[in-house]
Amino acid sequence: EIVLTQSPGTLSLSPGERATLSCRASQSVTSTYLAWYQQKPGQAPRLLIYGASSRATGIPDRFSGSGSGTDFTLTISRLEPEDFAVYYCQQYGSSPGTFGQGTKVEIK
Amino acid sequence: EVQLLESGGGLGQPGGSLRLSCAASGFTFSYYAMSWVRQAPGKGLEWVSGISSSGGSTNYADSVKGRFTISRDNSKNTLYLQMNSLRAEDTAVYYCGKAGSSWFVDYFDYWGQGTQVTVSS
Repeated sequence: EIVLTQSPGTLSLSPGERATLSCRASQSVTSTYLAWYQQKPGQAPRLLIYGASSRATGIPDRFSGSGSGTDFTLTISRLEPEDFAVYYCQQYGSSPGTFGQGTKVEIK
Repeated sequence: EVQLLESGGGLGQPGGSLRLSCAASGFTFSYYAMSWVRQAPGKGLEWVSGISSSGGSTNYADSVKGRFTISRDNSKNTLYLQMNSLRAEDTAVYYCGKAGSSWFVDYFDYWGQGTQVTVSS
């Protein structure tokens, strides 16, 4: 199975700053089948990005995804207070679909 | 509005059984694959099992293979997870997730709020 490694584990930033989250796969992800989710404490995950770069319905354009092959990035252009959360990447190009271990974006 | 409502969680004994349900509404349930994803306390997300839109194809994580069974009733818009031979390491919040297509190896565009499963004597 494909192992996804997210970095950094924790990102400490201030509102208004830019956040760059990395997701690296142990082997190439088929057809950029890579998604990103946001999870806040006590809540279910929420889909942000699918197909590596397509925003899900209702997701603000400050969230963007990029990458291909084994290296993917989620960028939040200007952090809003509601963006402080844990972010997970997921590959769904190979079975089983697998998740990264998560990156926590916390307020500095 | 898409809604997924899990139920059936609770306290289970080691070696015992529980059956989770996920009632779906707001979309054509029979068109989409579904999955169960779990999250142990303080940990990340782990895909557990998936089922195609028709129910004809299923898959399981190695950690639950042979113990858990996923199924669906498209006439009732409901997804199930039969959990047998429970272990302490099955303790987690279990989420049902709607796939973006009819195939279960996909992203999840909607999630339920989760149901807590605790395995302890």
